[in-house]
Amino acid sequence: AQSVAQPEDQVNVAEGNPLTVKCTYSVSGNPYLFWYVQYPNRGLQFLLKYITGDNLVKGSYGFEAEFNKSQTSFHLKKPSALVSDSALYFCAVRALYGNNRLAFGKGNQVVVIP
Amino acid sequence: DTEVTQTPKHLVMGMTNKKSLKCEQHMGHRAMYWYKQKAKKPPELMFVYSYEKLSINESVPSRFSPECPNSSLLNLHLHALQPEDSALYLCASSQDSRNQETQYFGPGTRLLVL
Repeated sequence: AQSVAQPEDQVNVAEGNPLTVKCTYSVSGNPYLFWYVQYPNRGLQFLLKYITGDNLVKGSYGFEAEFNKSQTSFHLKKPSALVSDSALYFCAVRALYGNNRLAFGKGNQVVVIP
Repeated sequence: DTEVTQTPKHLVMGMTNKKSLKCEQHMGHRAMYWYKQKAKKPPELMFVYSYEKLSINESVPSRFSPECPNSSLLNLHLHALQPEDSALYLCASSQDSRNQETQYFGPGTRLLVL
């Protein structure tokens, strides 16, 4: 079965600094990788996904993520964090021949300090 | 447009009540999902409908009863719930249930069981 690890509980970053949220995955076969963001009292909002092709994926709100097959990682990045980026971020994975379930990581709380 | 709508936004119910949660999408998606989410935790899959047929039931107690009246609508009927069922209930939809398809989430219904 597929799984995702988000090793940090909380990421603190100063406004204007680069933001990185880490994600590693475990899956049999080719992975499909997703990042979602959840603002307080809201549903999950899709940011970006990797299916195949270019390892650098660009998404909404200036976010991007790099697929690294050898390190089984899919870290989310933003060059310059905004206070409005403070939210809960989830990495998720499905496998090409998997069980149709989207496996979520535990989530990372991002706090951008003004 | 990637909008999934859910009603009501908030619901308070007693343990003997019967209520329903509603979800709607007009994106032509043929897969729809119910998730349960506790605070600061990842969503947990409850049910998947594919082409209006129930395809996955994650061993959810029978006090939760899903219904898919047509390809745009998904209901979750609630009866005799327990206080531990209090959570955010999220609906999602995707083009179909293939693993590479993005799931788009609604804003959720926050349920409190007294």
